[in-house]
Amino acid sequence: DIQMTQSPSSLSASVGDRVTITCRASQDIRSWLAWFQQKPEKAPKPLIYDISSLQGGVPSRFSGSGSGTDFTLTISGLQPEDSATYYCQQYSTYPLTFGGGTKVEIK
Amino acid sequence: EVQLVESGGGLVQPGGSLRLSCAASGFSFSDHYMDWVRQVPGKGLEWVGRSRNKRNSYTTEYAASVKGRFTISRDASENSLYLQMSSLKTEDTAVYYCCRGSYSSSPNLDYWGQGTLVIVSS
Repeated sequence: DIQMTQSPSSLSASVGDRVTITCRASQDIRSWLAWFQQKPEKAPKPLIYDISSLQGGVPSRFSGSGSGTDFTLTISGLQPEDSATYYCQQYSTYPLTFGGGTKVEIK
Repeated sequence: EVQLVESGGGLVQPGGSLRLSCAASGFSFSDHYMDWVRQVPGKGLEWVGRSRNKRNSYTTEYAASVKGRFTISRDASENSLYLQMSSLKTEDTAVYYCCRGSYSSSPNLDYWGQGTLVIVSS
């Protein structure tokens, strides 16, 4: 199975900060990488697919980058409503696998 | 508007069975892959399995942790996806989400239901 490793597991940042979350795959997943945002007691919300394509309605302050095994989710200008847990996921190979999550808190 | 509504969760004893349903609307159900993903409360996300689209004969894939115990099926006439769970274990306790795969050669999960909670306990 492809292991997805996220870092950090949690972070605290101020409104307006630039936040970066990294995701490393245990093998090459080409461009099949997605990011999700999850708030407490809610279903995950798709943010980004194919490394860098924004899902409909997602604010442009969210962006994704990377290739092969190393990927990044960036929030440019953190907003209070961005407080959530973020997950990466590979859909290159079965079984599909998720990272362990990164909890983003607002200072 | 795409909607996915899960139902069927509840309390079941270890070794028991349960069938979850997912009612889909707002899109061409037969054209899309459909997945189940679960989440132990307070923990991370775990992919459970997939039903490919009609073009791919609705074939299925499963996580190793559920293979042989869980079965994914569809009723295209009802636009419904099912997860038949048997030989349930306490570690199957989780919120189960129904997800749509995007219309792509390698689908990403672009819509999620609200989830249904399954508790396996004596």
